[in-house]
Amino acid sequence: DTGVSQDPRHKITKRGQNVTFRCDPISEHNRLYWYRQTLGQGPEFLTYFQNEAQLEKSRLLSDRFSAERPKGSFSTLEIQRTEQGDSAMYLCASSSAGTYYEQYFGPGTRLTVT
Amino acid sequence: AQKVTQAQTEISVVEKEDVTLDCVYETRDTTYYLFWYKQPPSGELVFLIRRNSFDEQNEISGRYSWNFQKSTSSFNFTITASQVVDSAVYFCALSERGSNYKLTFGKGTLLTVNP
Repeated sequence: DTGVSQDPRHKITKRGQNVTFRCDPISEHNRLYWYRQTLGQGPEFLTYFQNEAQLEKSRLLSDRFSAERPKGSFSTLEIQRTEQGDSAMYLCASSSAGTYYEQYFGPGTRLTVT
Repeated sequence: AQKVTQAQTEISVVEKEDVTLDCVYETRDTTYYLFWYKQPPSGELVFLIRRNSFDEQNEISGRYSWNFQKSTSSFNFTITASQVVDSAVYFCALSERGSNYKLTFGKGTLLTVNP
């Protein structure tokens, strides 16, 4: 069990560029959550998957954001046409059936949009 | 709707002082979980404790203790004999069975322990 991993750990991009982040959950965890944390705030829920199905999306997830979990294992979060307001830490967490309340967090991807 | 309030934005203490971080929550669900996380400057969230809505027993773990009171919807966290290494942002969080266990976090309390 290697824990939840996220890649990259840091990303600096220019406004208007597209970026993609990857999250690898703990193996056999069928739920995967994405959160966003802006400076000085607590993490906020963005979306979650159960296996490959995206079951809920927050209103924070604008049309420029898309998340996938194609085979029910790793997930990607893509932001198109990045804006400075997208600068944040993007956190991924996973949990398993029977203990969905027990989420294990990855180290996060820190995005800076210049 | 679930909500978590951490009224203390920043707290500064001197080493060896005791400090209590407050957390008040709102929920309509009868089955819910409360959490405390620590976030050091590196940014990773470090899990500290989880309590479920059916277990109001207080808990002590070393210098850490937690007071869960359903009557006041509070889940406070006390650090006894604080140390410089305790300096971090601390988050209280809530998840509800009826909301697919997604976490709602408070805004966090920045604790600074000075030598």
